[in-house]
Amino acid sequence: LAKTTQPISMDSYEGQEVNITCSHNNIATNDYITWYQQFPSQGPRFIIQGYKTKVTNEVASLFIPADRKSSTLSLPRVSLSDTAVYYCLVGVSGKLIFGQGTELSVKP
Amino acid sequence: AAGVIQSPRHLIKEKRETATLKCYPIPRHDTVYWYQQGPGQDPQFLISFYEKMQSDKGSIPDRFSAQQFSDYHSELNMSSLELGDSALYFCASSPRDRGPGYTFGSGTRLTVV
Repeated sequence: LAKTTQPISMDSYEGQEVNITCSHNNIATNDYITWYQQFPSQGPRFIIQGYKTKVTNEVASLFIPADRKSSTLSLPRVSLSDTAVYYCLVGVSGKLIFGQGTELSVKP
Repeated sequence: AAGVIQSPRHLIKEKRETATLKCYPIPRHDTVYWYQQGPGQDPQFLISFYEKMQSDKGSIPDRFSAQQFSDYHSELNMSSLELGDSALYFCASSPRDRGPGYTFGSGTRLTVV
């Protein structure tokens, strides 16, 4: 399974755009890239998933370069409620391995 | 929309006791995954089931066992509990052909005293 590397923590302010980059150098051809958000004592919540190029939904965008060795989660205009841990996962159907997530802190 | 239901939400047990955690997947989801998350830790994969058969196994202790039933709900049985088993236990479900986009339940917080 592809190993992922993310920054341990990030700080931002309300209203800013936040970009969290994940490295996955040994991603396999069939692997998808999926991002989850987790609040304390809650289950991880699916944010977005992609395979290549750009994916956008109502809460985030996911940018994947052509070599797919990294991906960037973009959160537009964050609010205090976006303070959480964000996980990047790589894989196909089957078990997903959580690496160390990024603890995002949004300040007023 | 229906979500993944886990019960109980909280459980307190003494050392060496047993515990059973239940997970009810989203309707028509045939795959169930169990994760353990210790305090300040990232979720660790324990075990998964597809169509009532074990499909993958992670770092699940031998003291733990799990199964998936004909209605697709799953139970995680934990015996000879240790203090280190205190954690949040999450269940997730997915339809097999939908890639790795799981839906997680709210978890069961197990405290071993």
